[in-house]
Amino acid sequence: SQQGEEDPQALSIQEGENATMNCSYKTSINNLQWYRQNSGRGLVHLILIRSNEREKHSGRLRVTLDTSKKSSSLLITASRAADTASYFCATASGNTPLVFGKGTRLSVIA
Amino acid sequence: EPEVTQTPSHQVTQMGQEVILRCVPISNHLYFYWYRQILGQKVEFLVSFYNNEISEKSEIFDDQFSVERPDGSNFTLKIRSTKLEDSAMYFCASSEALQYNSPLHFGNGTRLTVT
Repeated sequence: SQQGEEDPQALSIQEGENATMNCSYKTSINNLQWYRQNSGRGLVHLILIRSNEREKHSGRLRVTLDTSKKSSSLLITASRAADTASYFCATASGNTPLVFGKGTRLSVIA
Repeated sequence: EPEVTQTPSHQVTQMGQEVILRCVPISNHLYFYWYRQILGQKVEFLVSFYNNEISEKSEIFDDQFSVERPDGSNFTLKIRSTKLEDSAMYFCASSEALQYNSPLHFGNGTRLTVT
């Protein structure tokens, strides 16, 4: 399975700190995507990184991809209480459906 | 910003009943999907739909499930005879291009409770 697996399962930090979440997967990919899900809501796309890219930034988000280790990380800098959510990585490979991991639950304490 | 809308937000039904979950994808998107999420679990792919036909489906998407795009805007998921284990959040999504090249835009989901 190409399924991404996030680590840690849960993370609790103070407002202003950085939050790092990791994702590992098993097979070769076309791209890897990160999504956020607020409680009881749909997933919101954050960032897409292609297999030939190593790093991508979007605002306070920084995503890295290491295809040799089959891993990715999502860094949220200067976290805010509003960043509290679950974060999912999803891998895209060939023409198969996007496969989501189990997510990391991030709690940012004000 | 255009968004995917889903109705109803919550559906309660009795085991064995049929339910139809409705979605209005983003208007210029060509690819449509249903995913589900059992409470606290991972998001699971059900089916993808393009050009008025199913393009991919998972093993979850058995004969009890069907999808339809009855007009130019709606995209529906029908569960013919619901089971207790069908209780979950059902998310509709759409994308401009195939999902491995393009991000998915999700609705806020329908919470289905089968009693």
